[in-house]
Amino acid sequence: EPEVTQTPSHQVTQMGQEVILRCVPISNHLYFYWYRQILGQKVEFLVSFYNNEISEKSEIFDDQFSVERPDGSNFTLKIRSTKLEDSAMYFCASSGDLGNEQFFGPGTRLTVL
Amino acid sequence: ELKVEQNPLFLSMQEGKNYTIYCNYSTTSDRLYWYRQDPGKSLESLFVLLSNGAVKQEGRLMASLDTKARLSTLHITAAVHDLSATYFCAVDSRVGKLIFGQGTTLQVKP
Repeated sequence: EPEVTQTPSHQVTQMGQEVILRCVPISNHLYFYWYRQILGQKVEFLVSFYNNEISEKSEIFDDQFSVERPDGSNFTLKIRSTKLEDSAMYFCASSGDLGNEQFFGPGTRLTVL
Repeated sequence: ELKVEQNPLFLSMQEGKNYTIYCNYSTTSDRLYWYRQDPGKSLESLFVLLSNGAVKQEGRLMASLDTKARLSTLHITAAVHDLSATYFCAVDSRVGKLIFGQGTTLQVKP
């Protein structure tokens, strides 16, 4: 069964460093998303991406964040200069169309020291 | 802005008992999802509710949607320990983003 994959599963970084989180969405899906979940809290929307551009973003997704689809399969989230409060689980999701069910990847746990 | 609220946030129950988790949301939407999350794990899709009056059942879990009341329920019948997890409802905001409730942590005791 097709699934969303994410790498790495756990990333530890120093404050101020750049990190890139990687996702491979389900192959025939067109919409891609990033969400984050701070430990013990609810899941929060960060950004949606369609047709090589951002279609919606939250107030969390500031200038330190960027997304890219560098090739036909990967979808990346970059955090330019990490802060302690960026420590969270980051989930990638994809859907076949706008409003269709979103399928979530296993997540990347980001720890900023 | 769309807000989604779940209650209770924590539920401790005995095996064999029934209980209901409620999910209220603030603006019109006709797509609501229920997810299960085990500690440290990803979100497992449980139910997709796409219209008013939708009811879906899987094992001991049953979900329903009332779009007029802006309310969804997740009913647990004869709980077993394996159902211990955190359950999230999420509402589609119509621009492709899901707004999640705070989650309900269910603990089923033998």
